Amino acid sequence: GAGVSQTPSNKVTEKGKYVELRCDPISGHTALYWYRQSLGQGPEFLIYFQGTGAADDSGLPNDRFFAVRPEGSVSTLKIQRTERGDSAVYLCASSFQGGRGYTFGSGTRLTVV
Amino acid sequence: DQQVKQNSPSLSVQEGRISILNCDYTNSMFDYFLWYKKYPAEGPTFLISISSIKDKNEDGRFTVFLNKSAKHLSLHIVPSQPGDSAVYFCAASVQAHSSASKIIFGSGTRLSIRP
Repeated sequence: GAGVSQTPSNKVTEKGKYVELRCDPISGHTALYWYRQSLGQGPEFLIYFQGTGAADDSGLPNDRFFAVRPEGSVSTLKIQRTERGDSAVYLCASSFQGGRGYTFGSGTRLTVV
Repeated sequence: DQQVKQNSPSLSVQEGRISILNCDYTNSMFDYFLWYKKYPAEGPTFLISISSIKDKNEDGRFTVFLNKSAKHLSLHIVPSQPGDSAVYFCAASVQAHSSASKIIFGSGTRLSIRP
């Protein structure tokens, strides 16, 4: 597709469950970013991939959060033992060779009940 | 601590007038500044940017001004149009490595253009 695609668009899960959020970047974009946006706040950096490797994972809040990008394209953000505080919109963005003009997807709204 | 601050959560401007959105930053290592616009249920979209070596960048109705000594930037929209109603995020980055470009966002300003 022409843009960054994120699935699902909405996810409701029970506290303690495991969730996976998927991001399909723009074809040819080597850099991929995950952000989290809570209500009334700006996007908060989580992790950044350059190719298959995580170049910067300093924003992951704790070890319940993990992300992979095994083939340098699609990425999955994984959250274990979800907590109500994890409820937010999770945004994915991609750029060409780490350029600063990110293109964002529409996000996945995660609600933990 | 917030490295990028937008102290006005909301702003209302009459159609046709100038909208001025402000942003302050604390990290003197930031070398690139951006503005993003966000509509409900959509991801942020890039609007305009400025490098730290410049003090002004203009693109159509949008102009960004950078005052490095004050660590302040502003976005001017003139004339304001109804379609400009959205949340605007100020953002900044440091080109730490050859390819690293983590962007830090402010908390946003909701702009409403009234008829």
